[in-house]
Amino acid sequence: QKEVEQNSGPLSVPEGAIASLNCTYSDRGSQSFFWYRQYSGKSPELIMFIYSNGDKEDGRFTAQLNKASQYVSLLIRDSQPSDSATYLCAVKDGGSARQLTFGSGTQLTVLP
Amino acid sequence: EPEVTQTPSHQVTQMGQEVILRCVPISNHLYFYWYRQILGQKVEFLVSFYNNEISEKSEIFDDQFSVERPDGSNFTLKIRSTKLEDSAMYFCASSDRTATDTQYFGPGTRLTVL
Repeated sequence: QKEVEQNSGPLSVPEGAIASLNCTYSDRGSQSFFWYRQYSGKSPELIMFIYSNGDKEDGRFTAQLNKASQYVSLLIRDSQPSDSATYLCAVKDGGSARQLTFGSGTQLTVLP
Repeated sequence: EPEVTQTPSHQVTQMGQEVILRCVPISNHLYFYWYRQILGQKVEFLVSFYNNEISEKSEIFDDQFSVERPDGSNFTLKIRSTKLEDSAMYFCASSDRTATDTQYFGPGTRLTVL
């Protein structure tokens, strides 16, 4: 059974601070990793993906991947109240399978 | 920007009734998916579809569920005899053939089974 684990939070940070969200996964063969944002009652919205070890930056967001530790993280710089949402980590394995396995999400609140 | 659309946004049905949830994937995408999210729980994979056939399905996707691409644009999920525990948000997603296989989600259909 493939598992994706996230701290459920809630995580609260002040406006302008860096929010750090973490995710671990159980399947060492996993190849692609995705971060989605989900507002309450809405659908998952893609923020970014990463598949190589190291950092990947996109605007205020940085994804970090460490396959040896089976760990992926998302940093949000200069956090804004509009970033308040649940952040979902999703993992796709390296075979022909295309299904995503989701974590339970981390609820982030950015305080004005 | 192209997006996945879903109808209806909310469906209320009686236990034992059949429901059909509809999706229009992004037009140049070739892979289609259904996921569900029970209130307060994880997003769970149901099924993936490619080239007019199911490519993967989860344990949740039992004989009560079926999928179909009836024409060149729509992708449907049918639940033959709904149960109370089928109440959830159902999300359709689609992806193209790139290596990253990034999946884009529709707004969802909230299914309430009474």
